[in-house]
Amino acid sequence: QQPVQSPQAVILREGEDAVINCSSSKALYSVHWYRQKHGEAPVFLMILLKGGEQKGHDKISASFNEKKQQSSLYLTASQLSYSGTYFCGTEMIEGGSQGNLIFGKGTKLSVKP
Amino acid sequence: DGGITQSPKYLFRKEGQNVTLSCEQNLNHDAMYWYRQDPGQGLRLIYYSQIVNDFQKGDIAEGYSVSREKKESFPLTVTSAQKNPTAFYLCASSVGNQPQHFGDGTRLSIL
Repeated sequence: QQPVQSPQAVILREGEDAVINCSSSKALYSVHWYRQKHGEAPVFLMILLKGGEQKGHDKISASFNEKKQQSSLYLTASQLSYSGTYFCGTEMIEGGSQGNLIFGKGTKLSVKP
Repeated sequence: DGGITQSPKYLFRKEGQNVTLSCEQNLNHDAMYWYRQDPGQGLRLIYYSQIVNDFQKGDIAEGYSVSREKKESFPLTVTSAQKNPTAFYLCASSVGNQPQHFGDGTRLSIL
């Protein structure tokens, strides 16, 4: 049930773009994206609801492909502050688990000058 | 300012000892959650509570206990039955379909 994130790690130069994927084998109601700096609390980025929507703010955007049960996080023109571990949290439709998230193992993003 | 407060930031446990991690929120959120984070494992759900005086086991509840006597508070006890308690523990809260807000975490280690 745990979503699969890819890649596990990515190293970028400032200004480069990256895509992080999150795939589930279960039908999803929503996908939540968080970024966590080492030793700190995860910080919320955005929620995508079933219906195949896209969202974005600043240079970070995301999409949700309902047919594939897959979400992708797009980081464009990366900045040093984008470094951290990105987690997707998935909320499944079945099982009466509304509101509960199952998190992927994370994607570690390092942005170098 | 509204938020979630976890304490202590660092905690050490001796063999056979129970320890309690505190989580308080003043966001008026109904739901509260406890997660355990190990390196490379992401966040795993220990317990959650959708309403006062009710809570449910998550994926890794063995060796842990919780209570939810007040809306603002959701303490987690790590019992001596939890043989590998060393981890980073995160508390979160939410309301409705809004995102979960996390506390700053408690890092628990074995003496």
